[in-house]
Amino acid sequence: AQSVTQLGSHVSVSEGALVLLRCNYSSSVPPYLFWYVQYPNQGLQLLLKYTSAATLVKGINGFEAEFKKSETSFHLTKPSAHMSDAAEYFCAVSLNTGTASKLTFGTGTRLQVTL
Amino acid sequence: EAGVAQSPRYKIIEKRQSVAFWCNPISGHATLYWYQQILGQGPKLLIQFQNNGVVDDSQLPKDRFSAERLKGVDSTLKIQPAKLEDSAVYLCASSDPKGVAQYFGPGTRLLVL
Repeated sequence: AQSVTQLGSHVSVSEGALVLLRCNYSSSVPPYLFWYVQYPNQGLQLLLKYTSAATLVKGINGFEAEFKKSETSFHLTKPSAHMSDAAEYFCAVSLNTGTASKLTFGTGTRLQVTL
Repeated sequence: EAGVAQSPRYKIIEKRQSVAFWCNPISGHATLYWYQQILGQGPKLLIQFQNNGVVDDSQLPKDRFSAERLKGVDSTLKIQPAKLEDSAVYLCASSDPKGVAQYFGPGTRLLVL
């Protein structure tokens, strides 16, 4: 069985500050890991994915995440927050089967960006 | 490339009524998923199709929920009869068999009164 824990349901940062959203996973086999962003009244948009290649993954909108097997973590970072980054962020895990499979999501972290 | 399409975007019904949601995946994507997202939670998989066959429906409440993908393209999710706790956003996603990422539609927001 797989699971994801997102630490902090709400995170607030100032515009221009570092964004750090935490995600820890549990999986009995090597996982695929994903970060999605959800803006109000919209579906989920893929930010980035880890598929057992490079451990540092770069995504869209300046976000990146680092897979750390020893810490079972996949934290999302962005060096400088922008007002447009305010949204809900979801970490998700799936089985490493070589193809797409069922996603198990965390409960989400709402990012607030203040002036 | 057109994304995943869903309709309607919003639906309000009374409990015990029935409702249906439609999804058109990205062209060429053989795998289609329906997720339920309750307010304040992450999405939860209801059913996964590979072409027109069901891969996983272990979390689908089969006494009231049904889904089909008859021609391996569009899909319909139905709830009959609806309960108050079915109020949620229903998200459809699709993926290419050669890829590992899923791409989501805008969702259908259901309110059961």
